Amino acid sequence: LAKTTQPISMDSYEGQEVNITCSHNNIATNDYITWYQQFPSQGPRFIIQGYKTKVTNEVASLFIPADRKSSTLSLPRVSLSDTAVYYCLVGETQGGKLIFGQGTELSVKP
Amino acid sequence: GAVVSQHPSWVICKSGTSVKIECRSLDFQATTMFWYRQFPKQSLMLMATSNEGSKATYEQGVEKDKFLINHASLTLSTLTVTSAHPEDSSFYICSAPRDRKEYFGPGTRLTVT
Repeated sequence: LAKTTQPISMDSYEGQEVNITCSHNNIATNDYITWYQQFPSQGPRFIIQGYKTKVTNEVASLFIPADRKSSTLSLPRVSLSDTAVYYCLVGETQGGKLIFGQGTELSVKP
Repeated sequence: GAVVSQHPSWVICKSGTSVKIECRSLDFQATTMFWYRQFPKQSLMLMATSNEGSKATYEQGVEKDKFLINHASLTLSTLTVTSAHPEDSSFYICSAPRDRKEYFGPGTRLTVT
């Protein structure tokens, strides 16, 4: 299982774009990159997933360079409600287990 | 999207008693489910993999006789904390995979007094 490294915490202000980068140097060929969001006392919630290049959905974008050794979650125009912990996970998601890293605690200020 | 529920959402029990936590996949079948434990200000720690119709697989350091897992159907896995002690107080979360994503339950807050 690929180990991930993220910044422990980040601060931002409402309306700004936030980019959280995750390193996963030993990612395997079959591994996907998935980001989850977790609010206090709740289970994590799926945000976005990708294999390579760029993926965009209604809430975020995910940028993955050609070597796939890192990925960047981009949250456009954050609001106070985006204050949460964001986890980057790497693995085969067809029933394969996921090992959580420490995550990034994002604090959005007014 | 896929929904995973947990019951109860919170429970308080006395030291030495056992507590059962249920995890259900409401709109899909899951041959595999995962159980995590999360302490305050920490990340999720995988405890075990629950396999429908067979024994669970426990992560290193997790006592299988203390944390009993039963995956009796394709939509239900249960975690029983036996002879609970205050140090077992934690937030327990289950998940089930579908379509290359992991769907998590809302979590169960266990407090052992």
